[in-house]
Amino acid sequence: DAGVIQSPRHEVTEMGQEVTLRCKPISGHDYLFWYRQTMMRGLELLIYFNNNVPIDDSGMPEDRFSAKMPNASFSTLKIQPSEPRDSAVYFCASSPLALLANYGYTFGSGTRLTVV
Amino acid sequence: RKEVEQDPGPFNVPEGATVAFNCTYSNSASQSFFWYRQDCRKEPKLLMSVYSSGNEDGRFTAQLNRASQYISLLIRDSKLSDSATYLCVVMDTGRRALTFGSGTRLQVQP
Repeated sequence: DAGVIQSPRHEVTEMGQEVTLRCKPISGHDYLFWYRQTMMRGLELLIYFNNNVPIDDSGMPEDRFSAKMPNASFSTLKIQPSEPRDSAVYFCASSPLALLANYGYTFGSGTRLTVV
Repeated sequence: RKEVEQDPGPFNVPEGATVAFNCTYSNSASQSFFWYRQDCRKEPKLLMSVYSSGNEDGRFTAQLNRASQYISLLIRDSKLSDSATYLCVVMDTGRRALTFGSGTRLQVQP
């Protein structure tokens, strides 16, 4: 199994530009999570999906952030327009329900976003 | 108040030492507990789940005290390769999402 795949690994963009981060969960995992990690705030949950449906988006910082999961094998996190304070590492993670309570979930390698 | 609180460290210990990390959580509805390990510039990875009776995995021992809402991790015979950040993690089963502490950094020195 290839694990959770995120792209790009690194992204440098100018303030005001649109940024799209991508995630392919592990096949068969029905839960998908997006997290953001910064030195100041640690790992923060942004949004999570169950069977492609957004369940909790209370962590999405503001309307500039949006996430979609058009099918079971793909999700995107979009920031439009981007701002320097969005600079962080964005992680995607997935899990099957049966394993969630005992094993947590598997993270992708993350996308390191820098907004200048 | 943060949902999951940890001492950020760093803990600097010599090889072979025993080191303990503690963590407290605020949500009494939390049902699942974990320790994750995160190496520098890498993703978090599950180290071990934490069960009510306590559990051990080789040199690692985890304990849970529900009454005090307290979780601990003990590492015996520290290795250089144990140097990492250790994240205390809880899950409210009803919410199905993990809440992470900010991590405790461990540096094992030769």
